[in-house]
Amino acid sequence: KQEVTQIPAALSVPEGENLVLNCSFTDSAIYNLQWFRQDPGKGLTSLLLIQSSQREQTSGRLNASLDKSSGRSTLYIAASQPGDSATYLCAVLYGNNRLAFGKGNQVVVIP
Amino acid sequence: ETGVTQSPTHLIKTRGQQVTLRCSSQSGHNTVSWYQQALGQGPQFIFQYYREEENGRGNFPPRFSGLQFPNYSSELNVNALELDDSALYLCASSQGSMNTEAFFGQGTRLTVV
Repeated sequence: KQEVTQIPAALSVPEGENLVLNCSFTDSAIYNLQWFRQDPGKGLTSLLLIQSSQREQTSGRLNASLDKSSGRSTLYIAASQPGDSATYLCAVLYGNNRLAFGKGNQVVVIP
Repeated sequence: ETGVTQSPTHLIKTRGQQVTLRCSSQSGHNTVSWYQQALGQGPQFIFQYYREEENGRGNFPPRFSGLQFPNYSSELNVNALELDDSALYLCASSQGSMNTEAFFGQGTRLTVV
């Protein structure tokens, strides 16, 4: 079964600290992995896409790494801001054309 | 702005009724996927349409059906609504059915009473 787990489920950090969000997946035969942001009751905003052949991707303060062999990805958010408060979802694309999602990391950045 | 639009944004239906949700894909995208997100959960794959044909289906009963139009917009239909169908329904569009970035709409919040 293709399961995706995100730990921790929720976390709070003071403004300015770096955020580290973890994602693990059971089946390493992935095509790509995407990190999304979701604000309460809203849709998903794509943050970063990592192809299976890549080790990391960066966009501004965001950096995502991928270790396919160990079934892990980590999203780093540098110098967190209150506007970073949201739920972050990890999703893995498999050959059956569907994204498998974790339940998300709910983040609160305290001013 | 992702370019994927969904309508309506919210609706309330009574158990047993039928509902149709709509999605306009991003310009240039020919693939639409639908997901159901219950409160506090990650989205669950319902099905995908690629060039007007169903191209994969998740673990949802047949009362969940869909279609894709020649302009690649899509509809999700749910018959005989149940209370557990209350959720946020998300549409994602992409170019091609494999290994491309998915862009999501803002979702439709369905409440079944």
